[in-house]
Amino acid sequence: AIRITQSPSSLSASTGDRVTITCRASQGISSYLAWYQQKPGKAPKLLIYATSTLQSGVPSRFSGSGSGTDFTLTISCLQSEDFATYYCQQYYNYPRTFGQGTKVEIK
Amino acid sequence: ELQLVESGGGLVQPGRSLRLSCAASGFTFDDYAMHWVRQVPGKGLEWVSGINWNSGNIDYADSVKGRFTISRDNAKNSLYLQMNSLRPEDTAFYYCAKDNTVAGTRGAMDVWGQGTTVTVSS
Repeated sequence: AIRITQSPSSLSASTGDRVTITCRASQGISSYLAWYQQKPGKAPKLLIYATSTLQSGVPSRFSGSGSGTDFTLTISCLQSEDFATYYCQQYYNYPRTFGQGTKVEIK
Repeated sequence: ELQLVESGGGLVQPGRSLRLSCAASGFTFDDYAMHWVRQVPGKGLEWVSGINWNSGNIDYADSVKGRFTISRDNAKNSLYLQMNSLRPEDTAFYYCAKDNTVAGTRGAMDVWGQGTTVTVSS
């Protein structure tokens, strides 16, 4: 199975900050990487797929980049509603695998 | 409105079985692969199983292989997860999720249900 290493596991930031989360795959996954946001008590929400394609309705302050094994989610100007846990996931092959998650907390 | 609604969760003793269902609406169900994903409260997401649009391609996480069976009934717009030989470590919140690629083999999960709780305990 492809292992996904996500970092950091948590971070503290202030509204307006630029935030970066990274994921590294144990083998090349081309561009088959997605990012999800999950708030407490809610189902995950797809933010970005195919590494950098923004899901419909997702604000443009979210962006994704990378290819092969190294990927990044950037939130350019953190808003109050962005405090949540973020997961990356590869869908290059089965079994699908998720990163361990990054909890973005208020500083 | 695209919607997935899970049901069938509950409290079950170790070694027993449970069948989860996921009712889909608002989209052409038989165009898309579907998945089950679980989450232990306070922990991360774990993909459990996936099935393509015509049930021709199915896979499972190693942790459930041989015990869980995914299936779908396209006529009923429904996805299922038959869970046998349940273990305490299967205790989690179970979500069904839809692929975002029509008839594709590789897709992200763009629609999620609200989830159903499975508790395995004596």
